[in-house]
Amino acid sequence: GDSVTQKQGQVTLSEDDFLFINCTYSTTTYPTLLWYVQYLGQGPQLLLKVTTANNKGISRGFEATYDKGTTSFHLQKASVQESDSAVYFCALVNNYAQGLTFGLGTRVSVFP
Amino acid sequence: EAAVTQSPRNKVAVTGGKVTLSCNQTNNHNNMYWYRQDTGHGLRLIHYSYGAGSTEKGDIPDGYKASRPSQENFSLILELATPSQTSVYFCASGGQGSSYEQYFGPGTRLTVL
Repeated sequence: GDSVTQKQGQVTLSEDDFLFINCTYSTTTYPTLLWYVQYLGQGPQLLLKVTTANNKGISRGFEATYDKGTTSFHLQKASVQESDSAVYFCALVNNYAQGLTFGLGTRVSVFP
Repeated sequence: EAAVTQSPRNKVAVTGGKVTLSCNQTNNHNNMYWYRQDTGHGLRLIHYSYGAGSTEKGDIPDGYKASRPSQENFSLILELATPSQTSVYFCASGGQGSSYEQYFGPGTRLTVL
């Protein structure tokens, strides 16, 4: 079945540092790949999506790209702020209406 | 703005007791989902629904039932709660044809003693 692997459990950064999070995926269908962000005490919210059509998504200073050759997708931000502290999940859209397959999440802590 | 609400926000239950978690959405979305979130496991799909009257099993349905009496409401039922069901539960809704745009509620923290 579909699977997503997100190996970075925690990332600690200082403000203005570069953020890079990587996920690998496995699916038999054309993937739609998502990044969700979860702030403390809240539910996850969609940050970005990437499809085979666009290869890239940009929102709120974050950029998501995917590499079909290595079946991996990445989330990056050039200069993080303390307000970016959150847990970031990669997710794979599985069959229609069967929900999302999430990675384990990466806790990003940004210190001033 | 899409709105998904959950009740209760916190619940303490006893082993063997019945627990019902409720979810309401005002997005007029067809699809609704229940996930649980645990450290080391991320978010896992328990049940989902295509619309009123329908429920489908997700990846980890054992020990859970679901009910979708209307477009707006989707409940998760633990008939005989166990300590292993201690977790944070999230409900989400999504529109037809855009299942990736799932809007999540704030979560319910359930502790089974």
